Amino acid sequence: GQQVMQIPQYQHVQEGEDFTTYCNSSTTLSNIQWYKQRPGGHPVFLIQLVKSGEVKKQKRLTFQFGEAKKNSSLHITATQTTDVGTYFCARPEYGNKLVFGAGTILRVKS
Amino acid sequence: DAGVTQSPTHLIKTRGQQVTLRCSPKSGHDTVSWYQQALGQGPQFIFQYYEEEERQRGNFPDRFSGHQYPNYSSELNVNALLLGDSALYLCASSLPGVVVGYTFGSGTRLTVV
Repeated sequence: GQQVMQIPQYQHVQEGEDFTTYCNSSTTLSNIQWYKQRPGGHPVFLIQLVKSGEVKKQKRLTFQFGEAKKNSSLHITATQTTDVGTYFCARPEYGNKLVFGAGTILRVKS
Repeated sequence: DAGVTQSPTHLIKTRGQQVTLRCSPKSGHDTVSWYQQALGQGPQFIFQYYEEEERQRGNFPDRFSGHQYPNYSSELNVNALLLGDSALYLCASSLPGVVVGYTFGSGTRLTVV
């Protein structure tokens, strides 16, 4: 199946700066999910987006689903050291399979 | 607390050996999916078990096999280990037919030497 492409692979920001990661698919997605994995940890579910153009917020995190349902973004405002980790987008595939992107690694300098 | 329990946490094996990893799903979940996560990569789907049967399989060789017990716990077996099998093995549980909000265990870090 088609994997989702994530960019950038890696970003190092100063604490207080904003951060954005993008997830792109060549095919239309039924939904897109975002997970966070802390260093040495396991993926933890953040959110699911289903509707075209959907925008959801969780405190300093803003998630968007594109109008064509082929791309998504995660934006973090005023990053903190607790935001460090790898952010994955994931799409469901035929059956009950969840396909993950390669992830964006976020490092925050304090 | 992830709610999904995996054992062991770390394991070192020699090439050619066999390994069994274990997973107990979150209470109320009866579907278990196994993923392999190589260093610096996203989790790759190995297979999924529901009602004690393998329901779906990813692009992994037959050396990777599994089992699910009546209490929904699951095992992942890997035979004839290769150096390339070194990875974090993650178990995720969910409700049947639900492909959202997977709950992952802390994983088993397998090193093949």
